[in-house]
Amino acid sequence: GQNIDQPTEMTATEGAIVQINCTYQTSGFNGLFWYQQHAGEAPTFLSYNVLDGLEEKGRFSSFLSRSKGYSYLLLKELQMKDSASYLCAVWGSQGNLIFGKGTKLSVKP
Amino acid sequence: NAGVTQTPKFRILKIGQSMTLQCTQDMNHNYMYWYRQDPGMGLKLIYYSVGAGITDKGEVPNGYNVSRSTTEDFPLRLELAAPSQTSVYFCASSPPTQETQYFGPGTRLLVL
Repeated sequence: GQNIDQPTEMTATEGAIVQINCTYQTSGFNGLFWYQQHAGEAPTFLSYNVLDGLEEKGRFSSFLSRSKGYSYLLLKELQMKDSASYLCAVWGSQGNLIFGKGTKLSVKP
Repeated sequence: NAGVTQTPKFRILKIGQSMTLQCTQDMNHNYMYWYRQDPGMGLKLIYYSVGAGITDKGEVPNGYNVSRSTTEDFPLRLELAAPSQTSVYFCASSPPTQETQYFGPGTRLLVL
């Protein structure tokens, strides 16, 4: 079967660092995506990892370990506007994205 | 570029009615997708298309139909609406490299 797990909810403080984990078991792997989705809006692309290691993009970084079926999204210098759901998605062998249920992040002052 | 556009933004249907959700992209992308998102759940793929004239089923295709007569358009058809189809529907497109998907703003559908 195909399964993507990530925590349902997380809370963090403005200015802090937060790490959102994602583990996956899928038939085939062509890459892992992270999307941000504000309430009532469409998902927007954050990052794409296909090789092991860390990809850094401003305040956001994403890590991938293919052997462990594991990824995380790291958000630094949290801002109130970072309050959103973060979706982990794996690009499977059939050419489509398989999404996790998302992690709802609340940033408190 | 307008990106991916969807119409309508919101619709209420009665059980048994039919409707078509429209999706258009102006980025000349080969790949297009239809997802549904239920509250607290991830996106589930309904149908996808790798190019004009080619469509394939995703994870939850029952109760839906699609067509892809042009590169730009990928309409989703509900023939007999059921309460279980109450959801938010997102259309997306991606280039051949598929390094990202661009999502439309979504259509909120309520079936009563």
